[in-house]
Amino acid sequence: AQSVAQPEDQVNVAEGNPLTVKCTYSVSGNPYLLWYVQYPNRGLQFLLKYITGDNLVKGSYGFEAEFNKSQTSFHLKKPSALVSDSALYFCAVRDLAAGNKLTFGGGTRVLVKP
Amino acid sequence: EAGVTQFPSHSVIEKGQTVTLRCDPISGHDNLYWYRRVMGKEIKFLLHFVKESKQDESGMPNNRFLAERTGGTYSTLKVQPAELEDSGVYFCASSGLGELFFGEGSRLTVL
Repeated sequence: AQSVAQPEDQVNVAEGNPLTVKCTYSVSGNPYLLWYVQYPNRGLQFLLKYITGDNLVKGSYGFEAEFNKSQTSFHLKKPSALVSDSALYFCAVRDLAAGNKLTFGGGTRVLVKP
Repeated sequence: EAGVTQFPSHSVIEKGQTVTLRCDPISGHDNLYWYRRVMGKEIKFLLHFVKESKQDESGMPNNRFLAERTGGTYSTLKVQPAELEDSGVYFCASSGLGELFFGEGSRLTVL
């Protein structure tokens, strides 16, 4: 079974500082990894995905994620956080052999303080 | 192009009552998924439709939950009778051949 884990329930960061949201995965075969964000009172929005290729993936709103096979990690990063980045972030793995079903991590709440 | 729409956005019911959630997928998307997030935990898969057929309903928690997708367009998720532990946010997503697009969710509160 595929799974992802987000070890931090909450991340606090000052505006302008780098932001990292951690995610580790466990899959059989090649991983198909994604990040979603949920802003307050909004639905889940796709940020970025890794399927194959370059280990550094760039996504929406200035976010990027680094795929690390040896550490089975897919951490989300942003060089300079904004207050508007405060939201709930979910890491997910997609199972192409099971109807493209997504398995999510528990979510990490990011709070960016001015 | 309209996105995935869900309603109601919020429903408050008493234990034992019935609630029906609706999802309208993006037009032309054959795949429709239901997920839910309960008690601030992880988002969990409930089931997957391909057109009107249930492809995978392995995540449905028990027989109090009934999902339908008549005609392969919109879908409904009925909870009958609702229990306290059913409180949470129910997300619908649809896809064609690519990424899943999520709706804003329906928050269910069972008192």
